Order: sequence, then structure tokens, then C-alpha cells
Amino acid sequence: DAKTTQPPSMDCAEGRAANLPCNHSTISGNEYVYWYRQIHSQGPQYIIHGLKNNETNEMASLIITEDRKSSTLILPHATLRDTAVYYCIVRATGFQKLVFGTGTRLLVSP
Amino acid sequence: KAGVTQTPRYLIKTRGQQVTLSCSPISGHRSVSWYQQTPGQGLQFLFEYFSETQRNKGNFPGRFSGRQFSNSRSEMNVSTLELGDSALYLCASREADAHGELFFGEGSRLTVL
Repeated sequence: DAKTTQPPSMDCAEGRAANLPCNHSTISGNEYVYWYRQIHSQGPQYIIHGLKNNETNEMASLIITEDRKSSTLILPHATLRDTAVYYCIVRATGFQKLVFGTGTRLLVSP
Repeated sequence: KAGVTQTPRYLIKTRGQQVTLSCSPISGHRSVSWYQQTPGQGLQFLFEYFSETQRNKGNFPGRFSGRQFSNSRSEMNVSTLELGDSALYLCASREADAHGELFFGEGSRLTVL
């Protein structure tokens, strides 16, 4: 079963920041937080992952709370191409499967 | 680098038949995972192979099987197809690093009639 809770849908205006929340209150100390997104009819795309420190790459920023029970994915300047389903996943190292929940459907509008 | 390549992209089978799907991982990636995506169940893990050995397996019946070759290419097979096996089958590869990111292919869309 998925270990994360996400809102089913969110809207964002083009050019604005999109902040996607995720709750993972049962996360273990050795589990990372991963974010993937899936644009319609394509395979999921890796966005970012982190353990306990905030992370930033060319796509997004990941903010993890100090108690690690929740996190926020930030797309700083959303574009129409960011419309997708965003999945927040917690996963330990080793050969552990990714357990996808239902994700958040983000709609970016002009 | 070329991405993860899956073949065929689309296929139609009838109940009772079997199907084999192929996945070529990114060059240098030794781990290959398979996922099934359906509208009702979402994305579900099938199995993962590393260096030709199955390292993890999801909750699917024995009709679903896979293998990995010495060049890291992988195949999955579904025997005695059922209508419920209609799905998008996704392959993903990653480097040997245990918590490395997964790179997904575009998937093979199977329709069972």
C-alpha cells in the first residue's frame, strides 16, 4: 500500500509557482522521498528525491519538514507542459519497489 | 544516451494467448524493473532484475514472468492472457546505485480481446 497522501487535484496559473504537498507520516529513517510525474500516455519521469535536507535541481525544489512527516514539491514557474499527474513516493534503499499512490493531477492553465 | 526502449509499443491479443514484451535499458544500467498500469489499479510493481537475478517481486500470479539477459536487456512474459491483463506495461532502468532514480520507457500497451 502507498505510504503517502496527496490531494487528488490542484490548479495553477501559468508562470506561477506550483506547490504540491505530500504527507508521509509513517516514513522510516532510511526511506527517501521521491517525486515522479506522468504526462498523459507517457512513462513516469523522475523529478527529484531527498532524505532529510531540502533539494533543488533544474526541474524543481523539494522541501522536507524537519520531522520528515511531510514534504512539498515546488515548480517555481509552472508552464502548460507541467500539466501531469505527480506522484510522491517513499522508498528505502536496496531493491525496494516504488509504490505509487493515486498522485496529484496538476492542471496548469493560461 | 538513448533512453529506455520498449517493444512493441502497441499490441492486441486474444484471451488464452501469451505475450512477450521487451525492454532495453539505458546503456550501463544493470537494474530493470517492470510495472503494470491500469485505470483501476494504477501503477503496480511486477518485478525487478539486477545482473540477471530477480531481486524483488510484486503480487502478481505466476502467469507473469520475466528474465534478464547478460547485456541487461529484459523480457517479460504473460501466459494465458485474461481480459484484465489489458494495461500499459512500463519498464524502468537504473544504475547499480541502490537509491538511484528510475528511468521509465514509454511502455507497451497491451489490449486483450
